[in-house]
Amino acid sequence: NAGVTQTPKFQVLKTGQSMTLQCAQDMNHNSMYWYRQDPGMGLRLIYYSASEGTTDKGEVPNGYNVSRLNKREFSLRLESAAPSQTSVYFCASRLYGTDTEAFFGQGTRLTVV
Amino acid sequence: SQQGEEDPQALSIQEGENATMNCSYKTSINNLQWYRQNSGRGLVHLILIRSNEREKHSGRLRVTLDTSKKSSSLLITASRAADTASYFCATDAMGYSTLTFGKGTMLLVSP
Repeated sequence: NAGVTQTPKFQVLKTGQSMTLQCAQDMNHNSMYWYRQDPGMGLRLIYYSASEGTTDKGEVPNGYNVSRLNKREFSLRLESAAPSQTSVYFCASRLYGTDTEAFFGQGTRLTVV
Repeated sequence: SQQGEEDPQALSIQEGENATMNCSYKTSINNLQWYRQNSGRGLVHLILIRSNEREKHSGRLRVTLDTSKKSSSLLITASRAADTASYFCATDAMGYSTLTFGKGTMLLVSP
């Protein structure tokens, strides 16, 4: 049981380049999330998908887009990377309903130069 | 922002001592959860306390919740060096389908 799998684990981009972070879960969860973690800021929600077919903005959505490809997969796209997007990105999923925990991937460390 | 706040930001103790971390939040909640993050890794769920519960135990963990004060505490008893990690509270707010995390407490347990 792999849980939540994120790819890639590390990435260096030049300013202006684009890339897609991939996330897949094998737990049949309906809700999926993208967070970014910066020093001293905790985890901030970028986008989420409460269920297949829906996506919504979180606290810090600017500069990002998402796609809920199917129930298993939720991708995060940076169209034109900026140094301010240097961060560690985490994907999470849970069975949304009543009182459920989230399961996290191992993170993607992204550096934009 | 709905983000909660953990206190203290950092805590350094000796093995065998107890560690207490606090979390304050702003909104009405369905539940509050605590997570642990080892350096450079993903978050791992520790314990969930529902809004109608006041205290919950799991092994060496004890969580309390005071909804009137919008606060929670996590107590780790008899700490071990392996407990060294960052600890985050997360709120599952009423009317939302998201988890909102605080900034975390860094715990260092020295042998």
